[in-house]
Amino acid sequence: DTGVSQDPRHKITKRGQNVTFRCDPISEHNRLYWYRQTLGQGPEFLTYFQNEAQLEKSRLLSDRFSAERPKGSFSTLEIQRTEQGDSAMYLCASSSSDSMNTEAFFGQGTRLTVV
Amino acid sequence: AQSVAQPEDQVNVAEGNPLTVKCTYSVSGNPYLFWYVQYPNRGLQFLLKYITGDNLVKGSYGFEAEFNKSQTSFHLKKPSALVSDSALYFCAVRDGKLIFGSGTRLLVRP
Repeated sequence: DTGVSQDPRHKITKRGQNVTFRCDPISEHNRLYWYRQTLGQGPEFLTYFQNEAQLEKSRLLSDRFSAERPKGSFSTLEIQRTEQGDSAMYLCASSSSDSMNTEAFFGQGTRLTVV
Repeated sequence: AQSVAQPEDQVNVAEGNPLTVKCTYSVSGNPYLFWYVQYPNRGLQFLLKYITGDNLVKGSYGFEAEFNKSQTSFHLKKPSALVSDSALYFCAVRDGKLIFGSGTRLLVRP
């Protein structure tokens, strides 16, 4: 078990370009979460999946953001027409069930810089 | 809506002294509370969780947390701080997904 894996670790892009991030959860985990974190702040929830179903999406999330988990394994997060305000660390996490007492395990994140 | 609050942006403590990082919660129903730690340029690492049962929860790296229902608090504690404990600490509540507090930076000076 290699834990939650995120790719790439760093991404620099020009404003207006599209970017896509990938997350591979712990293999037996059926829940997958995406968060965004800016420097010194707490992680902000974006969206989460149970298997391939997207259960919730933050109301704060612009329609430029979309996430998929087509086969219930890895997930992708795409940001279209990036803006400088999108610069942040994007964190992925997974957990083994929908039980409220289950902790989530985080990847090391993808740091996005929009120039 | 479920939420947690961390009233201190930073906590400073000398190595060897006890430390406390504060967290208060607001939930409807039973609270499911968590503490995570984040080292520079790293993801979050799970420390401990409260579900039900004992109000004192023990976790990783010698940390523990005290659940207090009357004060709606879930403070993180450690009897003797280490310089290597210096990091960002986040309290969280489970509401389907995890909802995090704003974080507290712990600085342990030698």
